[in-house]
Amino acid sequence: AQTVTQSQPEMSVQEAETVTLSCTYDTSESDYYLFWYKQPPSRQMILVIRQEAYKQQNATENRFSVNFQKAAKSFSLKISDSQLGDAAMYFCAYNSQAAGNKLTFGGGTRVLVKP
Amino acid sequence: GAVVSQHPSWVICKSGTSVKIECRSLDFQATTMFWYRQFPKKSLMLMATSNEGSKATYEQGVEKDKFLINHASLTLSTLTVTSAHPEDSSFYICRASGNEQFFGPGTRLTVL
Repeated sequence: AQTVTQSQPEMSVQEAETVTLSCTYDTSESDYYLFWYKQPPSRQMILVIRQEAYKQQNATENRFSVNFQKAAKSFSLKISDSQLGDAAMYFCAYNSQAAGNKLTFGGGTRVLVKP
Repeated sequence: GAVVSQHPSWVICKSGTSVKIECRSLDFQATTMFWYRQFPKKSLMLMATSNEGSKATYEQGVEKDKFLINHASLTLSTLTVTSAHPEDSSFYICRASGNEQFFGPGTRLTVL
C-alpha cells in the first residue's frame, strides 16, 4: 500500500519569506500523481499544485513550486513571498489509477505566517 | 468552475439517532464519490468509495452497516451515520470524481 509522510507537524515563516514543506512517499507504481492541498480554517480542501510522475519538470503555480525527486520519492513544496493568507494546514497526497483513484494523504503540516 | 456541495454543513444530533449527509456535484457528472473522515488536527482518512449505481467499497476498519453510502445518481451521493454515538463526532468530507474532481466543503457532525 502507498504511504505518504510529512515529517514537519508545524512550520513558521516570516511574511514575504520562503518556506519549504517536505513530503516523502512510498509506492511500487511507476505512474501516479502527487498533490499539495491547502486546508484553511474553513476546512475547505483547496488544490495548490499537482505533479504527474512521468513529468520531469517541476510544477509551479505562481508563488508555489515543487521539487519532485522521483528516485528519492520526495515531493517538497516551496512557498515563496509568503502571505498571511497562506497560513493553513498543508497536506501532501498521492493518487494513481492503479490504486482506484484514491487519494492517500500525509499527516499534514501547519504553516504559520508571522507579520 | 465545478462545485461540489455538502448538506448540512453542520449538524448536532442526539446519541442513537441517524444522520444523513448529502454530497452533490453541481455541474459535472461524478462517476465516483469518495467519503473521508477527519478528526481535529488530523489528516483525512478514506472511509469508502462508491461508483454510481454500485455498492460502496469500504476501507478496512470502517463499519459498512454503520456508515451507509448511496450513490444513486451521477450528481448525488449520501452518507448516513446510523445510530450515531459521540465517537462518531467528526468532520466528514466528500470528493466527487468524474472528468474533474473536487472536494465538498465538509460536514461537521456533533453527537451529544
